[in-house]
Amino acid sequence: SQQGEEDPQALSIQEGENATMNCSYKTSINNLQWYRQNSGRGLVHLILIRSNEREKHSGRLRVTLDTSKKSSSLLITASRAADTASYFCATDAYNNNDMRFGAGTRLTVKP
Amino acid sequence: EPEVTQTPSHQVTQMGQEVILRCVPISNHLYFYWYRQILGQKVEFLVSFYNNEISEKSEIFDDQFSVERPDGSNFTLKIRSTKLEDSAMYFCASAGTGEQPQHFGDGTRLSIL
Repeated sequence: SQQGEEDPQALSIQEGENATMNCSYKTSINNLQWYRQNSGRGLVHLILIRSNEREKHSGRLRVTLDTSKKSSSLLITASRAADTASYFCATDAYNNNDMRFGAGTRLTVKP
Repeated sequence: EPEVTQTPSHQVTQMGQEVILRCVPISNHLYFYWYRQILGQKVEFLVSFYNNEISEKSEIFDDQFSVERPDGSNFTLKIRSTKLEDSAMYFCASAGTGEQPQHFGDGTRLSIL
């Protein structure tokens, strides 16, 4: 299975601190995506990083991808209470477009 | 910004009954997906649909499940004879191409009694 696995499972930080979440996967991928889910809501797409990319930025988000280690990280800088949510990585392999999600990291940002 | 909409937001059904979950994908998208998330567990892929046919399906998507795009705008998931273990959030997603980000709806919470 190429599904991603995030760690830590839960992360609690103070507002203003940075949050780093990691994702590992098992097989070769076409791209890796990070999603956010507020409790009871749908998934919101954050960033897509392709297998030939090493780093991408979007606002306060920074994603890295190391295909040799089959891992990715999501960094949220200057966190806010509104960043409290679960964060998932999802991978898809070449020649198929079904995404496999990890169990997610539950991020709590305390005001 | 266009979004994926799902109805109903919550569906309560007796075990053994058929249920249809509805989704309206983003209008110019061509790839459609269903996922489910059992409470407290990870999001699981069910099926992908392109060009009016299933392109991928997971082991969860057995003969009790079917998908349809009946009228060019709706994308439905039917569960023929529901079981207790079908209780979950069901998410629909769509994408413009197979390599673009998938946009998710807010989900339908299915409760089987």
